[in-house]
Amino acid sequence: AQSVTQLGSHVSVSEGALVLLRCNYSSSVPPYLFWYVQYPNQGLQLLLKYTSAATLVKGINGFEAEFKKSETSFHLTKPSAHMSDAAEYFCAVSERGNEKLTFGTGTRLTIIP
Amino acid sequence: EAQVTQNPRYLITVTGKKLTVTCSQNMNHEYMSWYRQDPGLGLRQIYYSMNVEVTDKGDVPEGYKVSRKEKRNFPLILESPSPNQTSLYFCASSRGDRAGQPQHFGDGTRLSIL
Repeated sequence: AQSVTQLGSHVSVSEGALVLLRCNYSSSVPPYLFWYVQYPNQGLQLLLKYTSAATLVKGINGFEAEFKKSETSFHLTKPSAHMSDAAEYFCAVSERGNEKLTFGTGTRLTIIP
Repeated sequence: EAQVTQNPRYLITVTGKKLTVTCSQNMNHEYMSWYRQDPGLGLRQIYYSMNVEVTDKGDVPEGYKVSRKEKRNFPLILESPSPNQTSLYFCASSRGDRAGQPQHFGDGTRLSIL
């Protein structure tokens, strides 16, 4: 069965600093990978996805993620944090040929002014 | 505007009183799914539907029912709600082509069962 591990349930960074949110998956075959963001009192919004093209994926709001098969990782980064980035971030995986999404437990990002 | 609409957004009710949370999508998506979100557990799938009249259990289906009589609607039914079903619920939809298309989420329904 697919599983996703997000290291760090809470991450705090200073405004302007690098954002790094970690995601590792378990799968024998490279899956589809997604990052979603959840702002307070809202649903989940897609940030970016990896389906098998370029391993470095660019998303909205300046975020990007790199798929590393050897490390079974799909970490999310942003070079310079903004106050508006404060939210909860979820990594999710789906097996190829399957619509089911399996989510990590989420990382709450706090931005320090 | 492409969207998934859930109603109600908030509901406080009592144990045993049947309730239905509606979900509707306007994107002609084949796949629809219900999740519950609990602190520290992320989102867990309750039920999903690959198409009209085709539904199946997810990871945490106990205490829930669903139906898919029309493509656009996928209601979640709690026949006899209990306090352990107090949670934040999300409906989602996607094309259903199993090719890595992202799921679109509603804004959520916060249920409190007293």
